[in-house]
Amino acid sequence: QVQLQESGPGLLKPSETLSLTCTVSGGSMSSYYWNWIRQAPGKGLEWIAYIYYSGSTNYNPSLKSRVTISLDTSKNQISLKLKSVTAADTAVYYCASGDFWSGSGVHYYYMGVWGKGTTVSVSS
Amino acid sequence: QSVLTQPPSASGTPGQRVTISCSGSNSNIGINTVNWYQHLPGTAPKLLIHSDNQRPSGVPDRFSSSKSGTSASLAISGLQSEDEADYYCATWDDNLSGPVFGGGTMLTVL
Repeated sequence: QVQLQESGPGLLKPSETLSLTCTVSGGSMSSYYWNWIRQAPGKGLEWIAYIYYSGSTNYNPSLKSRVTISLDTSKNQISLKLKSVTAADTAVYYCASGDFWSGSGVHYYYMGVWGKGTTVSVSS
Repeated sequence: QSVLTQPPSASGTPGQRVTISCSGSNSNIGINTVNWYQHLPGTAPKLLIHSDNQRPSGVPDRFSSSKSGTSASLAISGLQSEDEADYYCATWDDNLSGPVFGGGTMLTVL
């Protein structure tokens, strides 16, 4: 069973760049979509971005201008960079593996395995 | 403001059956399949249901789901104290071209 472990800086100042890493163990990165999702305090889950193992990416339009997702298959890691953070970026950040296929115009997309998350606080 | 709308809270007593609704639109639930996640604070969210009504291995059959038009619902029968958690619906949105979540429903077992 694939396991995911997120890591990050914990605390950032406004305007800094957040860098997060998700390490995949117990399985292959092939054939999956690798996601970042966050949950701000008192809020619901918000999808940030995904990257397919081939390298193709997709971003939430609301964050696209500030986010970069990347993959390092040699290290079994997925990375996320979020520029110009503000207090609104304070959240628990999760990585998750995704399965995706479509047929007859119907999209099937779900996230089967999640990490436990890493807490990020933005404060001056 | 989440793309999918869920009630913020639900409750039930042990043994009872509860349902949680999820409302969307023609660009998401109306055309794509729905998933449900269970989340206990401080832990990894867990996939409960995918592809409208498929339970991953290990998920009890007390959990079921249905969909009609642009709405979906999760049903939990034989409610147990360990079911107390936050529940999220999710699907693909064709307008966003990405996955979207509901705002979550906090389930309390009285």
